[in-house]
Amino acid sequence: QITLKESGPMLVKPTQTLTLTCTFSGFSLSTDGVGVAWLRQSPGKAPEWLAIFYWDDDRRYSPYLKSRLTITKDTSKKQVVLTMTNMNPVDTATYYCAHSTRRFRCSGGRCYYFDSWGQGTLVTVSS
Amino acid sequence: SVLTQAPSQSGTPGQRVTIFCFGSTSNIGTETVNWFQQFPGTAPKLLIYSDNQRPSGVPDRFSGSKSGTTASLAISGLQSEDEADYFCAAWDDSLKGHVFGSGTKVTVL
Repeated sequence: QITLKESGPMLVKPTQTLTLTCTFSGFSLSTDGVGVAWLRQSPGKAPEWLAIFYWDDDRRYSPYLKSRLTITKDTSKKQVVLTMTNMNPVDTATYYCAHSTRRFRCSGGRCYYFDSWGQGTLVTVSS
Repeated sequence: SVLTQAPSQSGTPGQRVTIFCFGSTSNIGTETVNWFQQFPGTAPKLLIYSDNQRPSGVPDRFSGSKSGTTASLAISGLQSEDEADYFCAAWDDSLKGHVFGSGTKVTVL
């Protein structure tokens, strides 16, 4: 059974750096065709994809936030970490990590879909 | 949102409801579409992937299809427990990233 759980601060101040950890179980991030993604959702809005770490250590970022994001993994701890710099009140949202699977007979970042999500963690940006 | 959905839709129990997701040639027109269901206070759940594939456990009254730059999710035999928000998503080859629809809230009357 695949499970993911997000952890990190509930409150950050403007200009600070946010660090979120996704701890997962039930799969290996070294398995061909697997990824772990980070997404967020502001209240009443659609989800927004932020970044993804692939099984082959490749990673991709949202073009809108690329300059502020870094995604890394800790294989031994089965964790994927997202850092976002220069936090702003508009970054207030629930942040999710999600297991991603590559479609059959497809290659590249376009091929992945988010098939299992964590429960999410609410991050508020306020002074 | 890059993908456009009607904000709300309603139906009566047993009715068939279709939700549309409008995109462009850089996303829906050339890439597959996924659909998510979300209840208040919970994480989105994958409902349909690769345009029309249902993950294990998803009832077969949920179905997906696509034509050109428009994708659709049909719920046949609408039930009260289907009252939720529904989001479409796809890869956008111009942006080089995953994009989501604005979401449709389905109300069961």
